[in-house]
Amino acid sequence: DTGVSQDPRHKITKRGQNVTFRCDPISEHNRLYWYRQTLGQGPEFLTYFQNEAQLEKSRLLSDRFSAERPKGSFSTLEIQRTEQGDSAMYLCASSLGFRSSYEQYFGPGTRLTVT
Amino acid sequence: KQEVTQIPAALSVPEGENLVLNCSFTDSAIYNLQWFRQDPGKGLTSLLLIQSSQREQTSGRLNASLDKSSGRSTLYIAASQPGDSATYLCALYNFNKFYFGSGTKLNVKP
Repeated sequence: DTGVSQDPRHKITKRGQNVTFRCDPISEHNRLYWYRQTLGQGPEFLTYFQNEAQLEKSRLLSDRFSAERPKGSFSTLEIQRTEQGDSAMYLCASSLGFRSSYEQYFGPGTRLTVT
Repeated sequence: KQEVTQIPAALSVPEGENLVLNCSFTDSAIYNLQWFRQDPGKGLTSLLLIQSSQREQTSGRLNASLDKSSGRSTLYIAASQPGDSATYLCALYNFNKFYFGSGTKLNVKP
């Protein structure tokens, strides 16, 4: 059990470019969550997966955002046509679901800066 | 929608003090409550999880309580140390997602 990992840790991109982040959850964790955190605020829920199924998406997740978890293991979060307002820390978390009372384990995050 | 408030937003104390961080929430229909620690620029580290049927949890110098009827949780830190300096976040889990407060930034002075 190596914990939740995220890649890259930092990303600087120009406005209008597309970016993709990856999250590798703790093995055997069937639930995977994406959150966004801006400076001085707590994380805000974006979306979550139960295995490979994306079961809920926040209204924060505009049409420019898409997330996948193709084989129920790692997940990707893509942002198309980035805007300066997308600059934030993107956090991934995983859990065993009911068996662990939904306790979530977070990765180190990907810090996105849009210039 | 669940609203989570953490007071104070920032706290500075001398080393060795006992302290209490507060978390209040508007909807008592929660599955569990989790306290996290976040160091600058880092991810979240889980400290304690309290299930809705529990009243408190303890781990080392940390004790967290939950009172659903009043919509409150507290995190008690005993004998604070400079290494405790971080932002502490409470999060409530219901309806398949966590709702976070904005955190309390703690500075423990040597």
